[in-house]
Amino acid sequence: EAGVTQFPSHSVIEKGQTVTLRCDPISGHDNLYWYRRVMGKEIKFLLHFVKESKQDESGMPNNRFLAERTGGTYSTLKVQPAELEDSGVYFCASSQGRGGLVDTQYFGPGTRLTVL
Amino acid sequence: EDKVVQSPLSLVVHEGDTVTLNCSYEVTNFRSLLWYKQEKKAPTFLFMLTSSGIEKKSGRLSSILDKKELFSILNITATQTGDSAVYLCAVELASSEKLVFGKGTKLTVNP
Repeated sequence: EAGVTQFPSHSVIEKGQTVTLRCDPISGHDNLYWYRRVMGKEIKFLLHFVKESKQDESGMPNNRFLAERTGGTYSTLKVQPAELEDSGVYFCASSQGRGGLVDTQYFGPGTRLTVL
Repeated sequence: EDKVVQSPLSLVVHEGDTVTLNCSYEVTNFRSLLWYKQEKKAPTFLFMLTSSGIEKKSGRLSSILDKKELFSILNITATQTGDSAVYLCAVELASSEKLVFGKGTKLTVNP
């Protein structure tokens, strides 16, 4: 079974540019999560999709970040315009969705974003 | 604020040593505690703990949760160089299903 995949693995952009990150969850997983790790800090939650709906976006830093999951399969996270403090590793995770029961989140390899 | 604290932050041992990694937490609404191993890229799931006092075991790795004292430990016996990684502890919140992570423990096992 293929795991969670993310694209690209590394992106270097200039401040003010736009970047779009993609996540393909494990097939059949209803839940999709985005997390971010900035240098020296812990991994922090950004948002949670259940199928195509945003369940919780309390961790999104500001309105320069836009996440979508059209059709409830893959998800994109767009940063526009990017700022220096957006640099970090963006992880995607997915879980099966067990109606409120305990469920395991499986992580992708992350996209390293560097904003110059 | 929900918080997970791991210690130590870094650990260097020799092959064959036994190590204990610590994770304490302070969260509003606990559902489960998870351990992940991160080598180069994706954090890899190790254990999920929901009940106090029940040890989970997988080969040389084991983990236990104490919900009264709000901590968990991850033990690795007879360490090997392949155990070198960052070990992440995370707590899942019942209210939102999001994970709250600690900063991780970087384990280096030297031959």
